[in-house]
Amino acid sequence: GEDVEQSLFLSVREGDSSVINCTYTDSSSTYLYWYKQEPGAGLQLLTYIFSNMDMKQDQRLTVLLNKKDKHLSLRIADTQTGDSAIYFCAASDTGGFKTIFGAGTRLFVKA
Amino acid sequence: EPEVTQTPSHQVTQMGQEVILRCVPISNHLYFYWYRQILGQKVEFLVSFYNNEISEKSEIFDDQFSVERPDGSNFTLKIRSTKLEDSAMYFCASQGGNQPQHFGDGTRLSIL
Repeated sequence: GEDVEQSLFLSVREGDSSVINCTYTDSSSTYLYWYKQEPGAGLQLLTYIFSNMDMKQDQRLTVLLNKKDKHLSLRIADTQTGDSAIYFCAASDTGGFKTIFGAGTRLFVKA
Repeated sequence: EPEVTQTPSHQVTQMGQEVILRCVPISNHLYFYWYRQILGQKVEFLVSFYNNEISEKSEIFDDQFSVERPDGSNFTLKIRSTKLEDSAMYFCASQGGNQPQHFGDGTRLSIL
């Protein structure tokens, strides 16, 4: 089955760009997602990319997909203190339809 | 934009009691899911439901758990006899055809 790995921590200064990386194992995953979770809150879908795309941009967010390496990244431009949260990478499992989540990357933004 | 709604937002229950978590999926969606997130851990798949039956379930989803779509709009998760380790955030999700999943805001379940 699908497995999703991501680094656990990232610390950046306010105004810098943040890049959160993720790898997955199932090359036939249809959807790849980025979710944001603030303390005690639910999962906020930030963006997703369909597997036939290489890049998707949405305001400050850029998602890059390298299907050959099964690598997904999320770039947050001009990172703000309000971006401090846990960011989950997730991939659809084509064995069924369920979504497999990574362990989450905790982003710290220093003022 | 239509959304998945979950109630209650927080449920506190005594160990050994039954609990039912409720979800209203997006109306034209066909696939329904429950996930669980123990505090500080990753989100884990519990069960998927399609065409009025379970299509897949994880090892976590043992005989204490059941799901139901009683009336064509609600999708419920029942835990028959709760244990301390069932304390977690439970997320419902729904999906229509070849589209991404949409998650609800979750129900925080606290077992005392």
